[in-house]
Amino acid sequence: AQSVTQLGSHVSVSEGALVLLRCNYSSSVPPYLFWYVQYPNQGLQLLLKYTSAATLVKGINGFEAEFKKSETSFHLTKPSAHMSDAAEYFCAVSETGGGNKLTFGTGTQLKVEL
Amino acid sequence: NAGVMQNPRHLVRRRGQEARLRCSPMKGHSHVYWYRQLPEEGLKFMVYLQKENIIDESGMPKERFSAEFPKEGPSILRIQQVVRGDSAAYFCASSPAGNYQETQYFGPGTRLLVL
Repeated sequence: AQSVTQLGSHVSVSEGALVLLRCNYSSSVPPYLFWYVQYPNQGLQLLLKYTSAATLVKGINGFEAEFKKSETSFHLTKPSAHMSDAAEYFCAVSETGGGNKLTFGTGTQLKVEL
Repeated sequence: NAGVMQNPRHLVRRRGQEARLRCSPMKGHSHVYWYRQLPEEGLKFMVYLQKENIIDESGMPKERFSAEFPKEGPSILRIQQVVRGDSAAYFCASSPAGNYQETQYFGPGTRLLVL
């Protein structure tokens, strides 16, 4: 069975600082991993996804994530935070045999301060 | 090039009433997924449908909840005799094909408030 753990329900960074949002997964088979962003009162927007083609995945808005099988992690990073990055971020996993459904972590609320 | 459409965006119901949530997938997508987001929680899978078929309803509550995706028209998530615990945001997603590698594209959600 697949599951996702996001450490840190709230993360606060200064504008211009590094953003690091953590995601660890559990899967019995090679997974597909996704990061979505949700702005207040809106739906989820795909930031990036890991599809086994490359371990370092680049997404929109300057975000990237690295798949580390040995650590079962897929942490999201951005070198320099911007005020517009303030939102909630969800890590999700899907796997073959999992019925196509996405299993989400509980989310990390990112706050960006001046 | 419209995305996933959901309506209504906000819905208020009193306990015991019925709630109907609609979802129109992206053009060319025939696979629809419903998720529920309770306050302070992540999204939880409810049901996966293809045109005229329920593929996976393992996340649906056993009573009062039903979903359909008819040959014509939007997908409908129906909640009968709503209770306060049904208050949540309900998101619909769609994908062009039904495999675990596909990106699911999400709608803006319907926020249901049960009084």
